[in-house]
Amino acid sequence: GEDVEQSLFLSVREGDSSVINCTYTDSSSTYLYWYKQEPGAGLQLLTYIFSNMDMKQDQRLTVLLNKKDKHLSLRIADTQTGDSAIYFCAESPSGGYNKLIFGAGTRLAVHP
Amino acid sequence: EAEVAQSPRYKITEKSQAVAFWCDPISGHATLYWYRQILGQGPELLVQFQDESVVDDSQLPKDRFSAERLKGVDSTLKIQPAELGDSAMYLCASSITGSGNTIYFGEGSWLTVV
Repeated sequence: GEDVEQSLFLSVREGDSSVINCTYTDSSSTYLYWYKQEPGAGLQLLTYIFSNMDMKQDQRLTVLLNKKDKHLSLRIADTQTGDSAIYFCAESPSGGYNKLIFGAGTRLAVHP
Repeated sequence: EAEVAQSPRYKITEKSQAVAFWCDPISGHATLYWYRQILGQGPELLVQFQDESVVDDSQLPKDRFSAERLKGVDSTLKIQPAELGDSAMYLCASSITGSGNTIYFGEGSWLTVV
């Protein structure tokens, strides 16, 4: 079945890099996503990666995909207090209609 | 920038009462989704529309939840009667039809059932 797992909490010092990890089960997923959710708000798309890629960089964000291990990671360089939020990994299973299966989210806390 | 609009943002209702949420997707987006997010969990898909047709409602508790998108544009999600366990954020999202197209989320509607 479809399942996405993430560690629940990460604490980093301001200026350090953050790495948030995710594992997924559907090897046929063609796209994998990272969304950000600030307190009380909806989900904001941060970045996504196509399954035939193993890395994608977008300013401070780097996404790494290990398709063999079904492992996805999001690295945030120079983490700032404004990056404090919950980060959700999501897979988009192939076939059928476009939809997202989310993990439980990783709460990132950035401290001085 | 176009957004997915939702209302109300916050709703407190008593157990056994009816409650409804409204969503207006981004113009031109044929696919509309309702997700439920319980505190501390990731969003879970309740129902997905393609134009006015339901294409996935496998996780919708049909004994108390209903959703419609009569003209294929805006949508309403209704709960009747509300139960304590329905307290959650209800997120509406929309996308252009087709795999891999970005799904955009609204700000969500917070429901508290007392």
